[in-house]
Amino acid sequence: EAQVTQNPRYLITVTGKKLTVTCSQNMNHEYMSWYRQDPGLGLRQIYYSMNVEVTDKGDVPEGYKVSRKEKRNFPLILESPSPNQTSLYFCASSSMDTQNTEAFFGQGTRLTVV
Amino acid sequence: EDQVTQSPEALRLQEGESSSLNCSYTVSGLRGLFWYRQDPGKGPEFLFTLYSAGEEKEKERLKATLTKKESFLHITAPKPEDSATYLCAVQATLAETSGSRLTFGEGTQLTVNP
Repeated sequence: EAQVTQNPRYLITVTGKKLTVTCSQNMNHEYMSWYRQDPGLGLRQIYYSMNVEVTDKGDVPEGYKVSRKEKRNFPLILESPSPNQTSLYFCASSSMDTQNTEAFFGQGTRLTVV
Repeated sequence: EDQVTQSPEALRLQEGESSSLNCSYTVSGLRGLFWYRQDPGKGPEFLFTLYSAGEEKEKERLKATLTKKESFLHITAPKPEDSATYLCAVQATLAETSGSRLTFGEGTQLTVNP
């Protein structure tokens, strides 16, 4: 089954404690990205990757890091989380094919930073 | 800058009462317009991709249409299980620096009462 898997689904942490949210896809997609979703602001892109070792900033990259060492994995790293990073996070992947570019989303990670 | 505006923000229908959701967009060059369904606490689920003005796609009670400035998601004889938030997103013409980036609207929250 084609899927994007995020872990953990729920996470409560304290300010300043480094954390990593993992994301893995089994569709051999080139493009992967991270979004955060906040009430009234919709889905906003944090970082994206067009292929292995190729990453770039999205709309709201401050306070986040990513890496793409393997095609299937795209972890999101918060080096020093702060309360304003409390949000619902989604990982997505898509093909770079010209006709099949729909994004597939993970189930989300609800992060609370206290 | 790409922009997507969805209306109404919320819509309440009786079962069987047909209606339409609107997605207005501005984009430098449209590669694709996407509709997603999102249930509470879950990741967006892909519904349709539209590529050019005049294109229409259907799936069960849903029909999506596209013009040069907006898209409509028509819901015919809705059922309670159609209750969800419907998201619209645009993807600009593929560029080296943006890949398959999506710009989302804030969504329309649809409630269908039995």
